[in-house]
Amino acid sequence: AQSVTQLDSQVPVFEEAPVELRCNYSSSVSVYLFWYVQYPNQGLQLLLKYLSGSTLVKGINGFEAEFNKSQTSFHLRKPSVHISDTAEYFCAVSASWGAGGTSYGKLTFGQGTILTVHP
Amino acid sequence: GAGVSQSPSNKVTEKGKDVELRCDPISGHTALYWYRQSLGQGLEFLIYFQGNSAPDKSGLPSDRFSAERTGGSVSTLTIQRTQQEDSAVYLCASSSLGSSYNSPLHFGNGTRLTVT
Repeated sequence: AQSVTQLDSQVPVFEEAPVELRCNYSSSVSVYLFWYVQYPNQGLQLLLKYLSGSTLVKGINGFEAEFNKSQTSFHLRKPSVHISDTAEYFCAVSASWGAGGTSYGKLTFGQGTILTVHP
Repeated sequence: GAGVSQSPSNKVTEKGKDVELRCDPISGHTALYWYRQSLGQGLEFLIYFQGNSAPDKSGLPSDRFSAERTGGSVSTLTIQRTQQEDSAVYLCASSSLGSSYNSPLHFGNGTRLTVT
């Protein structure tokens, strides 16, 4: 089984400042990692994903994340945030192909981090 | 194209009543998921259907909760004898899985359930 811990429940930041949202995971097998975003009153949408290859992954809206296997982390970063980035962000993990058995594809989510960007 | 559709969008019910929540996944998606989103609880996994395999029901919180997926498409989540702690947003998602895992989860907008 996999688990995800998002270390910050809320992150306030000023516009144009950099931001890092932290995510740590636990798994006994190899994993895929994801970040999803939920804007107010909307459904979740995928920001970026790590499946294999380069550990630095770039997503939509200028976000990026780095997979660190030794630290079991997948922190999300953006060098300069906008007001429109205000949303709740969810880190998620699933067992990778061949490792998940019948639960391949099942995503486990963290508890979410509310990012609030102030003018 | 059409996304994941959930109905109703809002449901208010009295404690003790049964409710049914419906999910229409994206056509052709083999995987379907139900999650529950409560304030401060993040997304709680409930159940996962993948193709013709037996569903993963490990997240269902009690035997009052059940789900089925008919014909590999539409899914219904049923909550019997609702309790106030069942109040939450119930999210459905679907995806097209393969070894390359190129398809992300596509979420519906959820059903907000309020038990009074």
